[in-house]
Amino acid sequence: AQSVAQPEDQVNVAEGNPLTVKCTYSVSGNPYLFWYVQYPNRGLQFLLKYITGDNLVKGSYGFEAEFNKSQTSFHLKKPSALVSDSALYFCAVRSSSGYALNFGKGTSLLVTP
Amino acid sequence: NAGVTQTPKFQVLKTGQSMTLQCAQDMNHNSMYWYRQDPGMGLRLIYYSASEGTTDKGEVPNGYNVSRLNKREFSLRLESAAPSQTSVYFCASTFTGTPSYEQYFGPGTRLTVT
Repeated sequence: AQSVAQPEDQVNVAEGNPLTVKCTYSVSGNPYLFWYVQYPNRGLQFLLKYITGDNLVKGSYGFEAEFNKSQTSFHLKKPSALVSDSALYFCAVRSSSGYALNFGKGTSLLVTP
Repeated sequence: NAGVTQTPKFQVLKTGQSMTLQCAQDMNHNSMYWYRQDPGMGLRLIYYSASEGTTDKGEVPNGYNVSRLNKREFSLRLESAAPSQTSVYFCASTFTGTPSYEQYFGPGTRLTVT
């Protein structure tokens, strides 16, 4: 089954520092990978996706993610964190059926001033 | 465009009561989904509808039913609510005509079953 794992429940970063939120995947075939962000009391918002091509994917709000096939990872990164980036981040992979997404358990990002 | 809308935003039910959560999208998407979100468990798929007229079970379908009323609307029904169904419910939609489909989410329904 297609699955992703987010090994960290919480990541703490000081404002202005680079941030990384980790995601590893387990799939058969080509992975279709996604990152979503959820602000408090809101629905999930799409950040970026990897389907094929360049291993460095750029997305919304200055976020990017690096696809690494040898390490089966798809880590989310941002060069300089903002307090407003504090939120819950979900990694997801397209399911075997092709119609749904399988989500990780989420990582809470806290950026402190 | 309103995107994906859900009603109600909040609901409190007693054990055994029934209710229907409504979802509508105005993006002409063919596929729609219902998820539940519980602390520490991420989002789990309850049911999905790949296209109008079809529905399929997801990871946690027990205790729920769905109806794809038309292309725009996809409802989730709890026939006899249980405390274990206390959760936040999200509806999502997407166009699955290509591999690169991202899902668009509604604002959620916070349900408490006492």
